[in-house]
Amino acid sequence: RKEVEQDPGPFNVPEGATVAFNCTYSNSASQSFFWYRQDCRKEPKLLMSVYSSGNEDGRFTAQLNRASQYISLLIRDSKLSDSATYLCVVNAAGSSNTGKLIFGQGTTLQVKP
Amino acid sequence: GAGVSQSPRYKVAKRGQDVALRCDPISGHVSLFWYQQALGQGPEFLTYFQNEAQLDKSGLPSDRFFAERPEGSVSTLKIQRTQQEDSAVYLCASSLPGLIPYEQYFGPGTRLTVT
Repeated sequence: RKEVEQDPGPFNVPEGATVAFNCTYSNSASQSFFWYRQDCRKEPKLLMSVYSSGNEDGRFTAQLNRASQYISLLIRDSKLSDSATYLCVVNAAGSSNTGKLIFGQGTTLQVKP
Repeated sequence: GAGVSQSPRYKVAKRGQDVALRCDPISGHVSLFWYQQALGQGPEFLTYFQNEAQLDKSGLPSDRFFAERPEGSVSTLKIQRTQQEDSAVYLCASSLPGLIPYEQYFGPGTRLTVT
């Protein structure tokens, strides 16, 4: 079983739709959680961190459920420019001082006009 | 300002050749990471440096893989006797340690194809 699991998709949605991605992680000792975005043939870039209380950044909302070891990302009013792969990322337990990251496979989103 | 740079951007190697991949981190970033990304997969951790010290090399897949950062700045990932399964994008990332969350800034990667 992979340490971080995501549905690879693809998710094909029309512009303006709301779409949600989910992710589960296996190590309950993990401390930090993130969503990264990766465009085709580009490097990953941090989209947002995920906090226990949930956090929002414009059209993006991230949630963390430590009891279920579950992370989610909600995108509202999706734009064509949101088309990308979204990577669920967890810091490796025991590496809080190093920042070693464990990535999920990524979920591909395609927003259509 | 300048981000993380990597060279070469593309490398084609014949099976059995040695390759060297270079990473220039963001100036002042103490932490440096190497990841390997196979097609359709997320990046997988290879190794981590804090300044010139290699503190974690648990992700290196075999003893054919070797990384160094002798002066705590530029890093080189070397792969000896390349095999077809080494074909992947090799990503370098740097960050400032101690900041939570740990935002890692990635370079554009080196796409290695072993024929």
